[in-house]
Amino acid sequence: AQKITQTQPGMFVQEKEAVTLDCTYDTSDQSYGLFWYKQPSSGEMIFLIYQGSYDEQNATEGRYSLNFQKARKSANLVISASQLGDSAMYFCAMRPRMDSNYQLIWGAGTKLIIKP
Amino acid sequence: GAVVSQHPSRVICKSGTSVKIECRSLDFQATTMFWYRQFPKQSLMLMATSNEGSKATYEQGVEKDKFLINHASLTLSTLTVTSAHPEDSSFYICSAIRSGGAHEQYFGPGTRLTVT
Repeated sequence: AQKITQTQPGMFVQEKEAVTLDCTYDTSDQSYGLFWYKQPSSGEMIFLIYQGSYDEQNATEGRYSLNFQKARKSANLVISASQLGDSAMYFCAMRPRMDSNYQLIWGAGTKLIIKP
Repeated sequence: GAVVSQHPSRVICKSGTSVKIECRSLDFQATTMFWYRQFPKQSLMLMATSNEGSKATYEQGVEKDKFLINHASLTLSTLTVTSAHPEDSSFYICSAIRSGGAHEQYFGPGTRLTVT
């Protein structure tokens, strides 16, 4: 079964510290994509980072990096030097099969709160 | 780039009336758009996939006659909630696929629907 698991419902982190948000996935597909989105209290979903299953290097986008461990089926999001504005819900998502109609399977989300 | 707008951002309507929500890709063409519903503190629930020029594909359990989707152009998809009931009150969010790249979904800001 295709599934995304985020085991941390909530996290508190001190400002300027690094944060790791966990995400594990389950798929039998060889080709798939992994995404992280941020949803602040305003409700908008903001695309953060993407990792393809065949990408050999971990994806990075500014302060965001994706720790991709294919054998363990994990795709953790790392936020370096956290800021107050990073407080939000974070969702991990997977698109199974690169030739699919681009639907995503969503995790339950992690609520991240950055403390000043 | 990759901006998606959604209108209205908030709407209050009476039971039995219909309400239309628009989703527009402002700076790119979107052959595929998605409509989601999100309950408080939960992840996104896919309602339907909207493809330009063809009928929408609804997820299991979503009433196609109640949630009418029209994808009339490459930049506009609309969701009409017909004969609204209080249980239809929710946060509705659309996304659009930009061709090329990872086909990541770009989201609109969402619409908060309240049915009284």
